[in-house]
Formats: sequence, C-alpha cells, structure tokens
Amino acid sequence: ETGVTQTPRHLVMGMTNKKSLKCEQHLGHNAMYWYKQSAKKPLELMFVYNFKEQTENNSVPSRFSPECPNSSHLFLHLHTLQPEDSALYLCASSQVGTDTQYFGPGTRLTVL
Amino acid sequence: DQQVKQNSPSLSVQEGRISILNCDYTNSMFDYFLWYKKYPAEGPTFLISISSIKDKNEDGRFTVFLNKSAKHLSLHIVPSQPGDSAVYFCAASAMVIQGAQKLVFGQGTRLTINP
Repeated sequence: ETGVTQTPRHLVMGMTNKKSLKCEQHLGHNAMYWYKQSAKKPLELMFVYNFKEQTENNSVPSRFSPECPNSSHLFLHLHTLQPEDSALYLCASSQVGTDTQYFGPGTRLTVL
Repeated sequence: DQQVKQNSPSLSVQEGRISILNCDYTNSMFDYFLWYKKYPAEGPTFLISISSIKDKNEDGRFTVFLNKSAKHLSLHIVPSQPGDSAVYFCAASAMVIQGAQKLVFGQGTRLTINP
C-alpha cells in the first residue's frame, strides 16, 4: 500500500450503532488530520494530531471520538450519530513543518 | 464566516484553451496557499502551491498567481486537457501550534474541459 488509505470506503449505520473509521498513512509523516465534507460545503477540519498528540479539536460533537495510537494510524470512532452527520470523511497526513497535506480516498458515511 | 471563497461553482472550457480558476481569502494571516484537484470517489490530490512571499509559481501546465493586496489567487491551466476535468479546491494554510498545518478550504470549482 502507498499513500494514505482509508477503510471502509462506504459505511451505512443506524443512529444507535457504534462504528469506527480507519486511516493509515505510508508516507512517514508525523501529523494526521480528519476532515468532513458535507454536500455543497467546503472541507471542514475536525481534528489534528501532531506526533500522536491531539492539537486541534474544531468544536466537534463528542459523538465523534478520534484515536491516534501511532504516527501511521488514525481512527474515528462513531456512536449515536445523527442523519446530518452523513458526509464524506477524509483523512490526511503531512510532515510537521511543511504545508502540503496528502489525502486518503475518504469514507462515504450514511446515517439512517 | 467563510475565510476562503471560490465564487464560481463551475467552469466550462474548450480543450486546448486556458482555464482560469479563482479564489479569494479574507484572513491576512494565511501564509501558504494550495490547489487540490478531486475526481469523483477519490480524495483531493495536491496540485500546486505558493508561499505568501511569492507572487507566481509554475509547474508544467499549471501556474498559480497570488495578489496579496487583493487577497486573491488564481490557477491557470494551459493548455487544458480532458483529463483536467475535476473539482478544484483552493486552500489556505495557517500555522497551528507545534507545526501541524490547519488548512481552510474553499467550496470548490467544477471544471469541465470540452473536446
């Protein structure tokens, strides 16, 4: 695998379910990010992890819970989501001190 | 309040001609600007960037221009090719603590290259 990978690519869940999104980067980077893209809206930054430490939480509801066990892996744990949380969730990584972020293909999430 | 704006949701250009995509920003603290290209069912792919200390950066068919006084940047693609048809996102960077960048994105412009 190369670049940034995300699984699953598509996810349908009910409002009472618990699921997790996974991201893995193979670029040797040390910063990882979660973004949300809703229909007809710009990409919105959700969380930033820098050397496994969370450095930014962009006022994200607590039903989204990130986890970064190491510099290569990032998870987004989901529970009791709402239909308006349906969106494309994108993971990205970068090297600290540089400006370019590299994105994964995203997980298309539908909450019923 | 949207800090990065792409006011044209779509643009249609004939193959071989120049495509010009525009982006405006409001925050003068942004110090780095990037363009990403996105195909359906894929994540955004980095295309080209420019530092605020420059006014032009060129890479092959792609050139980005920055006008800091107008808080405006543009992406020129010449000549345009059918494979350039995609959604293009402008992004601006503001440093967060400890060096991880916080990107603020525009809404995107869908570029269609007609044969």
